[in-house]
Amino acid sequence: GEDVEQSLFLSVREGDSSVINCTYTDSSSTYLYWYKQEPGAGLQLLTYIFSNMDMKQDQRLTVLLNKKDKHLSLRIADTQTGDSAIYFCAERKGFKTIFGAGTRLFVKA
Amino acid sequence: EAGVAQSPRYKIIEKRQSVAFWCNPISGHATLYWYQQILGQGPKLLIQFQNNGVVDDSQLPKDRFSAERLKGVDSTLKIQPAKLEDSAVYLCASSLDYRYEQFFGPGTRLTVL
Repeated sequence: GEDVEQSLFLSVREGDSSVINCTYTDSSSTYLYWYKQEPGAGLQLLTYIFSNMDMKQDQRLTVLLNKKDKHLSLRIADTQTGDSAIYFCAERKGFKTIFGAGTRLFVKA
Repeated sequence: EAGVAQSPRYKIIEKRQSVAFWCNPISGHATLYWYQQILGQGPKLLIQFQNNGVVDDSQLPKDRFSAERLKGVDSTLKIQPAKLEDSAVYLCASSLDYRYEQFFGPGTRLTVL
């Protein structure tokens, strides 16, 4: 398909792990990104992974990439209420960045 | 370092009126982007500048939208005349070059009545 696809909602309890999934479109995409958007704010880059990597870990964040299935996931360990936001998956195709519709993460105390 | 600045933060207009948004990117950033984010959707690229030249405006509705980036720094996005479906958040972003991280401004929320 033409779109970067994500599930719309995810609800977790504080302290649990969150896993947000994404399917992207182009196996030749060079970089894949995860952005976070808090209410009333612009997007903030959380982390990215280069297409020749399978995994990247950055503190509480773990990104897994399955190139064969064009599947990207973001795991947030020990999820906190401050992690409540919308998370966007994005892929770089040439000089353009294509965004998914975003996954809204709700964290219950 | 100062971030990407946008103004106004909010704008309410009636359909068929005109509106303009302003963006000041991070100093030294060659690439500037305007995105439209409709409620419940991800950002959609409207136009991308490299310095003061247009790299991609394939999704800009050119019959009503226009954008310029004079002197390769600030940029304005104009809608004339506005339609109801233009209600959205307009995000400006900048990067050192298209290969580097994009930094986003807070956006301008436009409501067309």
